[in-house]
Amino acid sequence: NAGVMQNPRHLVRRRGQEARLRCSPMKGHSHVYWYRQLPEEGLKFMVYLQKENIIDESGMPKERFSAEFPKEGPSILRIQQVVRGDSAAYFCASSPGDLLFFGSGTQLSVL
Amino acid sequence: SQKIEQNSEALNIQEGKTATLTCNYTNYSPAYLQWYRQDPGRGPVFLLLIRENEKEKRKERLKVTFDTTLKQSLFHITASQPADSATYLCALPPSGNTGKLIFGQGTTLQVKP
Repeated sequence: NAGVMQNPRHLVRRRGQEARLRCSPMKGHSHVYWYRQLPEEGLKFMVYLQKENIIDESGMPKERFSAEFPKEGPSILRIQQVVRGDSAAYFCASSPGDLLFFGSGTQLSVL
Repeated sequence: SQKIEQNSEALNIQEGKTATLTCNYTNYSPAYLQWYRQDPGRGPVFLLLIRENEKEKRKERLKVTFDTTLKQSLFHITASQPADSATYLCALPPSGNTGKLIFGQGTTLQVKP
């Protein structure tokens, strides 16, 4: 059973470019969560999705950030016009119920 | 507002001793509490879940307590080993649970041989 798969593992972007982060949940899981972690800080919730639906996006900035989880394919977290402050580790998790299974994360570096 | 607090200072202990980590929360009454382990450069890994009607839960060398009166959970690792060195995160569902978890900042444990 493959775990939660995230790619790319590392992503480097220049200011103003777009970043696309992908997440494939564990087989059978239809709930996906995105979290952001800055150095020396805890995990901050961004968005919770089910297939084709955004359930809770209360932690996601209103501008430049969007997320989707289509009927087919991985969940995508998209950051437009990246700024240096977007540099962080972005973790995706999937869930069968109460607990979360995390991927290894995407480390985004904005130059 | 709902708040989760873990000791941000690193905990350094000698191999073989018991490590005790604390998680305090305020302004809500969660139905359960979870503990995760995170190694550098990796995603968190689920360890234990304890429900509000459970006082204590054990798994191998791990023990978790949940005091809903004190609004506190304690996480114990007995007979600690250098391989237990990691950051430990507690997590709670917020009020009006929509399925997400809110995480504490984590406590880093360093077990010295």
